[in-house]
Amino acid sequence: GDSVTQMEGPVTLSEEAFLTINCTYTATGYPSLFWYVQYPGEGLQLLLKATKADDKGSNKGFEATYRKETTSFHLEKGSVQVSDSAVYFCALSTGGGNKLTFGTGTQLKVEL
Amino acid sequence: DTGVSQNPRHKITKRGQNVTFRCDPISEHNRLYWYRQTLGQGPEFLTYFQNEAQLEKSRLLSDRFSAERPKGSFSTLEIQRTEQGDSAMYLCASTPAGGTGELFFGEGSRLTVL
Repeated sequence: GDSVTQMEGPVTLSEEAFLTINCTYTATGYPSLFWYVQYPGEGLQLLLKATKADDKGSNKGFEATYRKETTSFHLEKGSVQVSDSAVYFCALSTGGGNKLTFGTGTQLKVEL
Repeated sequence: DTGVSQNPRHKITKRGQNVTFRCDPISEHNRLYWYRQTLGQGPEFLTYFQNEAQLEKSRLLSDRFSAERPKGSFSTLEIQRTEQGDSAMYLCASTPAGGTGELFFGEGSRLTVL
């Protein structure tokens, strides 16, 4: 079945540091790929997405590129801020039902 | 548009009791999803509706779990004879059919079974 593997956290960075959170997937067919973010005390919200190979999703300075050859969708940001502290979930969707399969989440802590 | 609303936000119950959670999706979103999230894990799919029809159920959804969406608007998730292993955050999400694939999540209902 479909599955998503992402790096374990917590990841602790200093403000303005470079961020990479790794995500790889296994899926039948051609999935759409997503990064969702959960800020403290809030619900999950979509950060970015990519629907086909070589697409790059971007939002709020975050980027991820759909790499079919390596089945990966790594999340990157050039300069993190304290306000980026949250849990980040990689997810995929196959089929027409928009049902998401999530990874286990990676907690990011950004310190001054 | 007030977003996806879930109630109650937190429920504490004793083992063996029944509990019911309610989800009000974004209006005019005809797809509604239930997920379960335990500590340190990602959300796991339970079931989804398109309008009032329940189109898919996960094997995680045992016979003690039942979900309904009688008029294609709000949905309820009932857990009968709760067990300690049912303790989790229950998340609801909605999306318009044929949308972009983005699910809009509520803040969740946390269940604690003592």
